Amino acid sequence: DTGVSQDPRHKITKRGQNVTFRCDPISEHNRLYWYRQTLGQGPEFLTYFQNEAQLEKSRLLSDRFSAERPKGSFSTLEIQRTEQGDSAMYLCASSELQGSRPGNTIYFGEGSWLTVV
Amino acid sequence: AQKITQTQPGMFVQEKEAVTLDCTYDTSDPSYGLFWYKQPSSGEMIFLIYQGSYDQQNATEGRYSLNFQKARKSANLVISASQLGDSAMYFCAMREGGYSTLTFGKGTMLLVSP
Repeated sequence: DTGVSQDPRHKITKRGQNVTFRCDPISEHNRLYWYRQTLGQGPEFLTYFQNEAQLEKSRLLSDRFSAERPKGSFSTLEIQRTEQGDSAMYLCASSELQGSRPGNTIYFGEGSWLTVV
Repeated sequence: AQKITQTQPGMFVQEKEAVTLDCTYDTSDPSYGLFWYKQPSSGEMIFLIYQGSYDQQNATEGRYSLNFQKARKSANLVISASQLGDSAMYFCAMREGGYSTLTFGKGTMLLVSP
């Protein structure tokens, strides 16, 4: 399978604990994205990387959230001191480097479900 | 203002019939792309079809076609000959020319019955 892979697929944690999600993008994709999706909503952008550089962060990404992409390969998304409002699916996606047209397709993984109890 | 609007929370269709899922968008950027994704219960977002703002013809991919009406700012997805496996959430999304990210609508749940 050469698609975007995410781990773990499901995580249940107690409020206040830290959690980390990992994403492995499609090989040779320069761009990697993190989105969050809550029930009944479409995915909302959190942040994206071009190679190892984090180029954009959404206002949704509070100080408790941090994302890294060392060496421009896999990425991790860490949530510190989790709150019940963090319960959501966290989707990772990747794409080739965007050219002058906006048509480079973004491919998504299966998501990591987080439940904070 | 919502950039992507999907007004149909749910749609029902019988197997082998065609169905149209509505999507309207709002942008002032002349260069943009419109995408449709399918999300089954497993959670993965599956890319279906893409339409660029400068494309002269409506996009088609197998049973999927995009009815692109630029003046009306609509990009409706047409699924021909529905199959049971088409039951899923469908999301319309837009990428504006100056940005790298996608903005999604709230989605439409499609249920295909035998």
